[in-house]
Amino acid sequence: GESVGLHLPTLSVQEGDNSIINCAYSNSASDYFIWYKQESGKGPQFIIDIRSNMDKRQGQRVTVLLNKTVKHLSLQIAATQPGDSAVYFCAEILFQKLVFGTGTRLLVSP
Amino acid sequence: NAGVTQTPKFRVLKTGQSMTLLCAQDMNHEYMYWYRQDPGMGLRLIHYSVGEGTTAKGEVPDGYNVSRLKKQNFLLGLESAAPSQTSVYFCASSRRGATNEKLFFGSGTQLSVL
Repeated sequence: GESVGLHLPTLSVQEGDNSIINCAYSNSASDYFIWYKQESGKGPQFIIDIRSNMDKRQGQRVTVLLNKTVKHLSLQIAATQPGDSAVYFCAEILFQKLVFGTGTRLLVSP
Repeated sequence: NAGVTQTPKFRVLKTGQSMTLLCAQDMNHEYMYWYRQDPGMGLRLIHYSVGEGTTAKGEVPDGYNVSRLKKQNFLLGLESAAPSQTSVYFCASSRRGATNEKLFFGSGTQLSVL
């Protein structure tokens, strides 16, 4: 049978809804976080980053929130569009090393 | 401005064969990286380079070699391919180190080792 590890968590939303993708990071010493978007058959693409001295950062239609108390990072996408369908993963800088998460698949239906 | 270009896009090898993956960047970046991406796992660093003529081991370097003879190119070699090296390989580059700023990725090479 298939390995459970092959299945990414999936978030399904309707076009126009707001999407929230979550990421738990491993260590309170992490000081820099990045969100990447990976469309099918393509390489990861930078979306937005945030440093640990900030709680929130906004870009175009995207907002990243950092909750250091519970070691949680979230990516909010406003007015989600079909073109936002992709795998999203966070990365953290821990002890001078870049560590990538496994990702969440976002499916946007019209 | 092409960014990061990887060749080939697809390759099938038999166990024991060798091959070289080529990565080229036109952004004058100092840092270049090779990652592999496997189902259910995050990107894992194979080797990296902090400048022309330098290379260093990453998280999973065994079975791979690299060379950075020119600043714009970073080559990944498999001397004797094994089925465990079936993966999608991504090259990336950055102006400064990956711990300070975002990476620019190529579109990937799908490698199957039979």
